[in-house]
Amino acid sequence: AQTVTQSQPEMSVQEAETVTLSCTYDTSESDYYLFWYKQPPSRQMILVIRQEAYKQQNATENRFSVNFQKAAKSFSLKISDSQLGDAAMYFCAPRGGASGSARQLTFGSGTQLTVLP
Amino acid sequence: KAGVTQTPRYLIKTRGQQVTLSCSPISGHRSVSWYQQTPGQGLQFLFEYFSETQRNKGNFPGRFSGRQFSNSRSEMNVSTLELGDSALYLCASSLGQPTLTEAFFGQGTRLTVV
Repeated sequence: AQTVTQSQPEMSVQEAETVTLSCTYDTSESDYYLFWYKQPPSRQMILVIRQEAYKQQNATENRFSVNFQKAAKSFSLKISDSQLGDAAMYFCAPRGGASGSARQLTFGSGTQLTVLP
Repeated sequence: KAGVTQTPRYLIKTRGQQVTLSCSPISGHRSVSWYQQTPGQGLQFLFEYFSETQRNKGNFPGRFSGRQFSNSRSEMNVSTLELGDSALYLCASSLGQPTLTEAFFGQGTRLTVV
């Protein structure tokens, strides 16, 4: 079984500033992946970034990067140079590997990010 | 490449009726998963289909069922609708094999049960 905790229900950031969203998880899978998705008001779930658990290097995707601490089971998302279009609900989601039983995404409760002009 | 297509986008049904939702995955994707999103319970996994076989199932009553066709399109059915079934139903597609890849979501079907 997998569990996810996003302890920040709401966060706000000034445009052009940097913000970090927290996520801790628990999983019994030895092979797994971690994802951040964003859901803007349109409700479309959009993939932001992914991290393979076996990789030590933190994933980066343009202004988005993660801080993956495997031993601590922590997977935070950093958004640099925040833009108005980044305003959305952000979900952290682990997913078990192909060899495991927990192949589905397990979503946290989400963090609502507001970007202030 | 076309994205994941869910139809219909909006649906209003009466308690006790049944409903069928459709999902067309990205071309070449063989895995389709369904999720229910409600304000109270958040995002919950319903089931996953891969090559026409249900590969994984969440903790939902038997009123929730699904299937996948040979072209990877998937449908989910909810029978004997209850007010609590009102939700956004999201479909996600992924390659499915050989290694697990990211899932791409459709825009969802908003179901309202009255």
